[in-house]
Amino acid sequence: KAGVTQTPRYLIKTRGQQVTLSCSPISGHRSVSWYQQTPGQGLQFLFEYFSETQRNKGNFPGRFSGRQFSNSRSEMNVSTLELGDSALYLCASSFGTGGTDTQYFGPGTRLTVL
Amino acid sequence: ILNVEQSPQSLHVQEGDSTNFTCSFPSSNFYALHWYRWETAKSPEALFVMTLNGDEKKKGRISATLNTKEGYSYLYIKGSQPEDSATYLCAFGGLKAAGNKLTFGGGTRVLVKP
Repeated sequence: KAGVTQTPRYLIKTRGQQVTLSCSPISGHRSVSWYQQTPGQGLQFLFEYFSETQRNKGNFPGRFSGRQFSNSRSEMNVSTLELGDSALYLCASSFGTGGTDTQYFGPGTRLTVL
Repeated sequence: ILNVEQSPQSLHVQEGDSTNFTCSFPSSNFYALHWYRWETAKSPEALFVMTLNGDEKKKGRISATLNTKEGYSYLYIKGSQPEDSATYLCAFGGLKAAGNKLTFGGGTRVLVKP
């Protein structure tokens, strides 16, 4: 079974630009969660999508948004990039959304904002 | 704001020795505790999902216990090997309504010396 894939793996953008990251979950998984990892803050929850609906949202500004398609693939978008958005963005997929399902992480997208 | 603490932040272990470390989390509104192992340049790997007070889980030489009443979990590594070198993360899931939203601790970085 193929694992969670994320594209691109690396991105360099400049302040003010916008960026879209993609996550393809494990086949059959309907939940995709996104996390941001920075050295100072550790792993922080951004949002979760389940069956094309946003299930939960973390404490991030509205510049961070996401969506999920009918095939469960998910994208997250960051508009008006700031230097502080430089981070590793991880997505995780699971079969259900009950909180007790194992979440499987992708390799992440490393975003650098200059 | 949920506080999930892991201690120690890092530890060095001699090959063959056993070790353990702690994850502390809020005892109220507990729903699940997840443990992950994260090796450098790889995706976080799920180890355990624990839900019941007194739960004990085992995977090879790694095991974990859970005390939801006092809000802590221990992870044990028996007979540490160099391949156990990684950051070990715990993540708290509170309330079923929160879906797959996880609050991560800062991690315990384990370095096993040959």
